[in-house]
Amino acid sequence: NAGVMQNPRHLVRRRGQEARLRCSPMKGHSHVYWYRQLPEEGLKFMVYLQKENIIDESGMPKERFSAEFPKEGPSILRIQQVVRGDSAAYFCASSPRRGMAFFGQGTRLTVV
Amino acid sequence: GIQVEQSPPDLILQEGANSTLRCNFSDSVNNLQWFHQNPWGQLINLFYIPSGTKQNGRLSATTVATERYSLLYISSSQTTDSGVYFCAVDQGRNNNNDMRFGAGTRLTVKP
Repeated sequence: NAGVMQNPRHLVRRRGQEARLRCSPMKGHSHVYWYRQLPEEGLKFMVYLQKENIIDESGMPKERFSAEFPKEGPSILRIQQVVRGDSAAYFCASSPRRGMAFFGQGTRLTVV
Repeated sequence: GIQVEQSPPDLILQEGANSTLRCNFSDSVNNLQWFHQNPWGQLINLFYIPSGTKQNGRLSATTVATERYSLLYISSSQTTDSGVYFCAVDQGRNNNNDMRFGAGTRLTVKP
């Protein structure tokens, strides 16, 4: 049973480009969470999704950021028109309906 | 929303020492997990402990849900224990999980 898979591990984008971060949850997990971590800081909740539904996006910036978890395929966190302040590590976690959550290894986004 | 506070924010230990990390939360929770983020950034599950006590080797954890806190004990610390320890809670509202993290305790174990 593979763990939570995130790709790419590292992503470099120029200001104004789009960044697409992918997360494949563990087999049997229907819940996905995205978190952002700035250097030397904790994990900030962004969005919580179930298949085809956004349950809680209270931590997501209102503009340029979107997330989806389609019926088939990975969850996608999309950042449009990236700015330097978007540079961070983005972590995805998955869990079954009730139970322990597991994290992927993160995507480190650098905006140049 | 629920507030999660961890203490101390930073901790420096000599190898072999014991330590206790604390996580306080402001409302009732359905689940609580402890994670270790190693110096390479990887987040590793330590305990899933909504209540009671669990032990895994040199680590153990206790959650007292009625008093809204959890403790993580590290005994005979090793340099590989260095990193940041996070507590995360969810309130399980509407049968949904919704994990929120504390700011973490940064542990440095010196040889």
